[in-house]
Amino acid sequence: DAKTTQPPSMDCAEGRAANLPCNHSTISGNEYVYWYRQIHSQGPQYIIHGLKNNETNEMASLIITEDRKSSTLILPHATLRDTAVYYCIVRIQGAQKLVFGQGTRLTINP
Amino acid sequence: EAGVTQFPSHSVIEKGQTVTLRCDPISGHDNLYWYRRVMGKEIKFLLHFVKESKQDESGMPNNRFLAERTGGTYSTLKVQPAELEDSGVYFCASSQVWGANSPLHFGNGTRLTVT
Repeated sequence: DAKTTQPPSMDCAEGRAANLPCNHSTISGNEYVYWYRQIHSQGPQYIIHGLKNNETNEMASLIITEDRKSSTLILPHATLRDTAVYYCIVRIQGAQKLVFGQGTRLTINP
Repeated sequence: EAGVTQFPSHSVIEKGQTVTLRCDPISGHDNLYWYRRVMGKEIKFLLHFVKESKQDESGMPNNRFLAERTGGTYSTLKVQPAELEDSGVYFCASSQVWGANSPLHFGNGTRLTVT
């Protein structure tokens, strides 16, 4: 799986958009970008994933650059409950498992 | 739709004892995975079932760990005998179909403490 690079921590004010970056410069054409988060003492929670196109669901938006070497997860109106560790993972076609890194610890401040 | 459920949520055992963790995947999900996080480390893959067959067990740490999925429904992970370094949180996940376009959905884990 391609390696990802994320900042270790970020802060965001409540009600503002949280933009979490991820670099995956060695990504291959058949690798998906996945985002998960882990809120303290819970299991990893699926947020969103994409291959080439930008994606949006009820939780977040995923913006993938045209060269696919980086992406940004956007939480449009962050709340205190969005405080968590966010993981950006690339997943190859045919490989079922996810490989977790250190992630970004996002803190939403009142 | 019920999510992935794991039992027990917590387990405290002594070194040398046996513990069995259970995972019930989302109904209809053929793919089932076990992961764990030990103190201070990243979440690590243990193994993957497709129905009742072990598809990938490359992450199993040693032969003290035995995973089963008889009948292709729920799965158990047995640790026998438990060692101190086995302490951590064990997560189970499931996905509906084969392929990188099918997200994994995780349970809330079993926190295992070996004393």
